[in-house]
Amino acid sequence: NAGVTQTPKFRILKIGQSMTLQCTQDMNHNYMYWYRQDPGMGLKLIYYSVGAGITDKGEVPNGYNVSRSTTEDFPLRLELAAPSQTSVYFCASSSSGTSTDTQYFGPGTRLTVL
Amino acid sequence: AQSVSQHNHHVILSEAASLELGCNYSYGGTVNLFWYVQYPGQHLQLLLKYFSGDPLVKGIKGFEAEFIKSKFSFNLRKPSVQWSDTAEYFCAVNARGGATNKLIFGTGTLLAVQP
Repeated sequence: NAGVTQTPKFRILKIGQSMTLQCTQDMNHNYMYWYRQDPGMGLKLIYYSVGAGITDKGEVPNGYNVSRSTTEDFPLRLELAAPSQTSVYFCASSSSGTSTDTQYFGPGTRLTVL
Repeated sequence: AQSVSQHNHHVILSEAASLELGCNYSYGGTVNLFWYVQYPGQHLQLLLKYFSGDPLVKGIKGFEAEFIKSKFSFNLRKPSVQWSDTAEYFCAVNARGGATNKLIFGTGTLLAVQP
């Protein structure tokens, strides 16, 4: 099992550009999450999904969109990149939404917006 | 609202020294507690977690953590650190029995172990 994979690893965007961060998991997990980590800060939840076709906002959703057409994939879309979106983005998954369930994380995507 | 505080942002230790990283949380209800670790160039992985029962929980690689309810704390400990423990450590909390597994993370503690 590869677990949770993310592409790309690094990306530099210009202000106003758009891009999609890809996330795929091969563990057949229903729940998937997107977090961002800013320097000196903890991870903040952007969006999450409880299953294919169902998504919901987390703590910091502004400027992002998500979709979940399959169980495996949970892409994160930035439509108009802004310098405030410079961050490291982590995707995670868990088999259920039970509060005791372990979340498994991907390696992260480091995004810089100039 | 839930929050997690990790007061030690950077910790430098020599090999064989003992480690204790502080974690305090703020929440009015019952919580689950987690410690995640991120080794250089790797993804976050779970070190240990506490739900209920014995407040002293043991995790991987010789780490343990103690839940002290009266102090709202869940400090991470290791008796003797190794160079390979150099990493960033995150404490996290969620509401037990919540409808979704939303983790609230602390700001992390960067541990550097000198050989």
